[in-house]
Amino acid sequence: EAQVTQNPRYLITVTGKKLTVTCSQNMNHEYMSWYRQDPGLGLRQIYYSMNVEVTDKGDVPEGYKVSRKEKRNFPLILESPSPNQTSLYFCASSPLRGPDYGYTFGSGTRLTVV
Amino acid sequence: AQKVTQAQTEISVVEKEDVTLDCVYETRDTTYYLFWYKQPPSGELVFLIRRNSFDEQNEISGRYSWNFQKSTSSFNFTITASQVVDSAVYFCALSQYNFNKFYFGSGTKLNVKP
Repeated sequence: EAQVTQNPRYLITVTGKKLTVTCSQNMNHEYMSWYRQDPGLGLRQIYYSMNVEVTDKGDVPEGYKVSRKEKRNFPLILESPSPNQTSLYFCASSPLRGPDYGYTFGSGTRLTVV
Repeated sequence: AQKVTQAQTEISVVEKEDVTLDCVYETRDTTYYLFWYKQPPSGELVFLIRRNSFDEQNEISGRYSWNFQKSTSSFNFTITASQVVDSAVYFCALSQYNFNKFYFGSGTKLNVKP
C-alpha cells in the first residue's frame, strides 16, 4: 500500500530533551515536507526537501532540523524542544510532477512538550 | 507574497443543504497550483483536488464541485446535498509551480447536522 508512515503517533516529552520524529514513504517521491498544525493557523511548512541531500526552510524552521540521506526517509529533529513546539505534526510527500502531483500525508504526530 | 485566505472559520448546515467553502489566494506567480484537502475528525489529511493556473474549467466529482476564477483569485468548493460524513475541516492550499513551497489556508470547519 502506498503510504507515508510517521512515528510515533503520540509523544509527550520534557523541555530540552532531544527527540526525532521519523517519516518514511514507499512511493519513490522526490519531494517531502514537514508541517505543524495549530488551531486557527492551518498548516505551516517547517522544512521541505526536493531530493536526497537537498533541504530548505519553510515558514517556521526555528527550533527544527531535518536531513534527507535517503529518498524514502525525512526525519524531523527537535534538538531542544520547548513548550511552544507542542503541536500536531504532519509529514507529506509528492512526486515533483505528473498526474499524482499533490501531497500524500502521514497520519500525524501529536507532540506535547512539558 | 503568497497567501491563502479562508474567511469562514466554521460553518454549520443541516443535512441535504448545499454549502460553499470560500478560498481566496494571493500570488505573484503566473503559474501555480491550487488544492483542497479534507481533514475528518479522525485527523488524517486527504487530497481532494488539484488545479493548475492554466485550467479555469470548473470540476464536478459526485456531490463535490470546484469553481476556479482567476479574475477574483478564488477557488471555491461546493458540496451539494451535504451529508453528516462531510463534517470535517477543509483546507485550501497554493503551491508555486516549481513546487518548493506550499501555503495553506487556516481551514474551514464544516459541521453537518442530521
